[in-house]
Amino acid sequence: GAVVSQHPSRVICKSGTSVKIECRSLDFQATTMFWYRQFPKKSLMLMATSNEGSKATYEQGVEKDKFLINHASLTLSTLTVTSAHPEDSSFYICSAPRTSGRQETQYFGPGTRLLVL
Amino acid sequence: DQQVKQNSPSLSVQEGRISILNCDYTNSMFDYFLWYKKYPAEGPTFLISISSIKDKNEDGRFTVFLNKSAKHLSLHIVPSQPGDSAVYFCAASARTSYDKVIFGPGTSLSVIP
Repeated sequence: GAVVSQHPSRVICKSGTSVKIECRSLDFQATTMFWYRQFPKKSLMLMATSNEGSKATYEQGVEKDKFLINHASLTLSTLTVTSAHPEDSSFYICSAPRTSGRQETQYFGPGTRLLVL
Repeated sequence: DQQVKQNSPSLSVQEGRISILNCDYTNSMFDYFLWYKKYPAEGPTFLISISSIKDKNEDGRFTVFLNKSAKHLSLHIVPSQPGDSAVYFCAASARTSYDKVIFGPGTSLSVIP
């Protein structure tokens, strides 16, 4: 079963509005979560690292004020796309590392499809 | 500058045959490599990984080979099945592990029945 969930799975909004996307780790705690964006026919681009209890770390070129990240608890990180514009339309995916024994594996959420009209 | 490269954007293989997906990397600090499978409109699914201390890791139909000197890894799927048709991403991370997982551009695999 899924170990990382995302909500909503898809959202359509008007230009200028803000959209919040939730990422939850199920049955395990994640002090760190990652947010990715996938562009059509391109790879996953790491946007930021979400850190529980501290500020998120953003990758170069990602606007911090545009993509607000809050790691509210050990099982929840949220990404808010503020004042969304059509160019923000994309597929957003989160991931969380989970350690099992000596192995650490990155588990991905199912993704959120954002369409800004 | 792309640190993880997958030079074949697409690959077609007959059902039952072997699928070989290739990946090259440039950062010698990478010490952990992963393969993910992704269907359209879904998040990637972890397939198999390999640490730089190994040169081979096998899990069922999936085997990953690592050639550190060539900075090259490959994923072998045998026998290939139609359900394997998806985009496969090669990914790599450095010693600190999961500070950043760098993805390649992906290879779209089509397994023809």
